[in-house]
Amino acid sequence: GDSVTQMEGPVTLSEEAFLTINCTYTATGYPSLFWYVQYPGEGLQLLLKATKADDKGSNKGFEATYRKETTSFHLEKGSVQVSDSAVYFCALLPGAQKLVFGQGTRLTINP
Amino acid sequence: ETGVTQSPTHLIKTRGQQVTLRCSSQSGHNTVSWYQQALGQGPQFIFQYYREEENGRGNFPPRFSGLQFPNYSSELNVNALELDDSALYLCASRLGSGREGTQYFGPGTRLTVL
Repeated sequence: GDSVTQMEGPVTLSEEAFLTINCTYTATGYPSLFWYVQYPGEGLQLLLKATKADDKGSNKGFEATYRKETTSFHLEKGSVQVSDSAVYFCALLPGAQKLVFGQGTRLTINP
Repeated sequence: ETGVTQSPTHLIKTRGQQVTLRCSSQSGHNTVSWYQQALGQGPQFIFQYYREEENGRGNFPPRFSGLQFPNYSSELNVNALELDDSALYLCASRLGSGREGTQYFGPGTRLTVL
């Protein structure tokens, strides 16, 4: 079945460090791919998305490229800030209905 | 700010009781999905409604049911509550029922079952 595997957390970095959170997926067909972010006590916010192979989604300095050959959608940011501390979820939309989420990666940025 | 609201914010129930959670979608969004997020896990799809009809369901028993109304609001009902139903319940709305619409999530309702 469709599934998403994320890099296990928690991840702790210093401010201005480079961030990578790995995400790989298993799906039939051509799913859309997403990164959502969840701040403490809040719901999910869409961070970025890509709908076809080789698309790059970007937002707020974060980027991820849809790699069909490696079935990956790794999240990157060149210089993280304390305000980026949150839980990050990789997700895929294999059809017209349900999003399939990874287990989430908790990110903590220290000043 | 996604324009999706949920009520109540927190809720405490006892095992065996029934609960109704509410969601108000973005205006014009005719599709709403509900997800259950257990502590430390990713959200799991419960079901989806499109134009007031259920058109997709995840691996949840029939005691989880829903309604969608013409005014873009919706409900999630859970009967015979179990301890494992304790979770954050999220609704998400979007325009259309295909793959192209981005899902916008509400802040969630945290349900505790004692």
